[in-house]
Amino acid sequence: DQQVKQNSPSLSVQEGRISILNCDYTNSMFDYFLWYKKYPAEGPTFLISISSIKDKNEDGRFTVFLNKSAKHLSLHIVPSQPGDSAVYFCAATTGGGADGLTFGKGTHLIIQP
Amino acid sequence: SQTIHQWPATLVQPVGSPLSLECTVEGTSNPNLYWYRQAAGRGLQLLFYSVGIGQISSEVPQNLSASRPQDRQFILSSKKLLLSDSGFYLCAWARVAGNTIYFGEGSWLTVV
Repeated sequence: DQQVKQNSPSLSVQEGRISILNCDYTNSMFDYFLWYKKYPAEGPTFLISISSIKDKNEDGRFTVFLNKSAKHLSLHIVPSQPGDSAVYFCAATTGGGADGLTFGKGTHLIIQP
Repeated sequence: SQTIHQWPATLVQPVGSPLSLECTVEGTSNPNLYWYRQAAGRGLQLLFYSVGIGQISSEVPQNLSASRPQDRQFILSSKKLLLSDSGFYLCAWARVAGNTIYFGEGSWLTVV
């Protein structure tokens, strides 16, 4: 049973436009959500996170929105740049637990020139 | 600052051979340590985590095992590899009670 779902395996966006990556979760116990960026043959790097007590967190070009009632979060990248082309993973966890993060399958973002 | 390293970066092993992947973390004490695997089309799957020396929790039954002989060292092993063990293995660490996990560079394992 997949508790974190990224239903779009890939997304193509023109350079300079907004990229919106979506993520849904089923476990209502999740209270912290993260986005990671991954280039081929490299480990994922942490991008941005949000606590369940917030509905928005912004860091430069990256903004994460959380809709708890819909169990949905999204990552907005504005403006999109060529270096943003990568696989983006959504992840979730419960209460600072030591048992790691639950990841979605990832969305491959392709920024078109 | 904290750093994490894992090795080897690439490994090609025959079916039935043993495996040992090593990971070390520097710049922090008593981290939580993790082994993840990325298989094709399956995202990042948690294999093992450890909250201290000698303390290992397994998330997925398999022919892999993990050990933590020192505070900042985490080892992934197998006595006999299967074809299905092929994948990209990632070591990671987190602060105690921290939510963010930081990954190493990854190790490509191909079982032939």
